[in-house]
Amino acid sequence: DSGVTQTPKHLITATGQRVTLRCSPRSGDLSVYWYQQSLDQGLQFLIQYYNGEERAKGNILERFSAQQFPDLHSELNLSSLELGDSALYFCASSVAQGKTDTQYFGPGTRLTVL
Amino acid sequence: DQQVKQNSPSLSVQEGRISILNCDYTNSMFDYFLWYKKYPAEGPTFLISISSIKDKNEDGRFTVFLNKSAKHLSLHIVPSQPGDSAVYFCAASDVGGGADGLTFGKGTHLIIQP
Repeated sequence: DSGVTQTPKHLITATGQRVTLRCSPRSGDLSVYWYQQSLDQGLQFLIQYYNGEERAKGNILERFSAQQFPDLHSELNLSSLELGDSALYFCASSVAQGKTDTQYFGPGTRLTVL
Repeated sequence: DQQVKQNSPSLSVQEGRISILNCDYTNSMFDYFLWYKKYPAEGPTFLISISSIKDKNEDGRFTVFLNKSAKHLSLHIVPSQPGDSAVYFCAASDVGGGADGLTFGKGTHLIIQP
């Protein structure tokens, strides 16, 4: 158990809908990262937050947004969903924002768009 | 354009023998490399890392070798055990550059045969 929790575990929805994925980092960790893993793909970095502020953006679509709250939990919002958004979404946390800080991953949320 | 490549989708090794997982990268700015291990229905778990100032890092049964001139790294597991059966992801980052998260390969599924 990495100490990172993600809810829900599974999510099934329809095209055009909007969903929110939630992540609670390990106790004491200030950075949260979101990654997307599509079928047969490696994990793609989406976005990073550090202590409530956006720190870095990767391959995140404009239909997607995220935020980190004062209690450090984070939410990833996906809107106008398309079939291609079906994927595993992982959240990771690290103690600070350094690139050599180990990232601890949650178990992921499996999103299925029908 | 894949910057981190794991060309073997799967690898089968007999228990007790050495497992060698390979990874190639194209971005010469990468200077920090990691291996993550992933079991089904779980998030990736950090295994071992190496900085570009080193060419080898060892942790118990796991050793990572880095060949900067060839832009190649490998993970050696000796001896291989049944619990090592998992998907292994190679990841890289550019420590001195912008905060872009980790860049992952697509993974290699290691199967340890009894």
